[in-house]
Amino acid sequence: QSALTQPASVSGSPGQSITISCTGTSSDVGSYNLVSWYRQHPGKAPKLMIYEVTKRPSGVSNRFSGSKSGNTASLTISGLQAEDEADYYCCSYAGSSTVVFGGGTKLTVL
Amino acid sequence: EVQLVESGGGLVQPGRSLRLSCTTSGFTFGDYAMSWVRQAPGKGLEWVSFIRSKTYGGTREYAASVKGRFTISRDDSKRIAYLQMNSLKTEDTSVYYCSRVGSGWSHDYWGQGTLVTVSS
Repeated sequence: QSALTQPASVSGSPGQSITISCTGTSSDVGSYNLVSWYRQHPGKAPKLMIYEVTKRPSGVSNRFSGSKSGNTASLTISGLQAEDEADYYCCSYAGSSTVVFGGGTKLTVL
Repeated sequence: EVQLVESGGGLVQPGRSLRLSCTTSGFTFGDYAMSWVRQAPGKGLEWVSFIRSKTYGGTREYAASVKGRFTISRDDSKRIAYLQMNSLKTEDTSVYYCSRVGSGWSHDYWGQGTLVTVSS
């Protein structure tokens, strides 16, 4: 299956809100409420930030929120902080016990 | 505390084999599906393989790019997941991450990764 489509980069100033989109198809994002989001700092392992479209794991700030409409999922980060600067990846269940990741989005905090 | 530690990476020639291990602690290993995800240098994440818990049959799935060459397995008594990689290609060069599969097919815990370099 093809990778989900994310913008290559987004940016925002401290305190602002940004949204990262993740576009798939009716075979993955559009068919299942099983989208997750990961943050990855340089040289580090990814960290789960959102699962099942809208749910936050314990310990993840409520500044992170997720949503979905049709074939597109979104991650919103409010109150941007310097530590939010990282790469972000979406991931969706794609049927037949497989998942597909997005190409990744580099978030720059100006 | 949940911990996953990968090992077994290194430099290998094209066509050769390598086996990665993911040693875990801090959770009931047998209750969870496990997965391998890789990341080529400077690139994004790519799902590689997945193995269910024995409760759900221990079935395995693979990405098209590795199917027929890679084999995932698990040893619940040792709390280890493995990835046997055969017929390696230069395009398999990546950091390989082990992850635990949590709710909603999410990868809720990750190891630190192990680098596999396929080069002559």
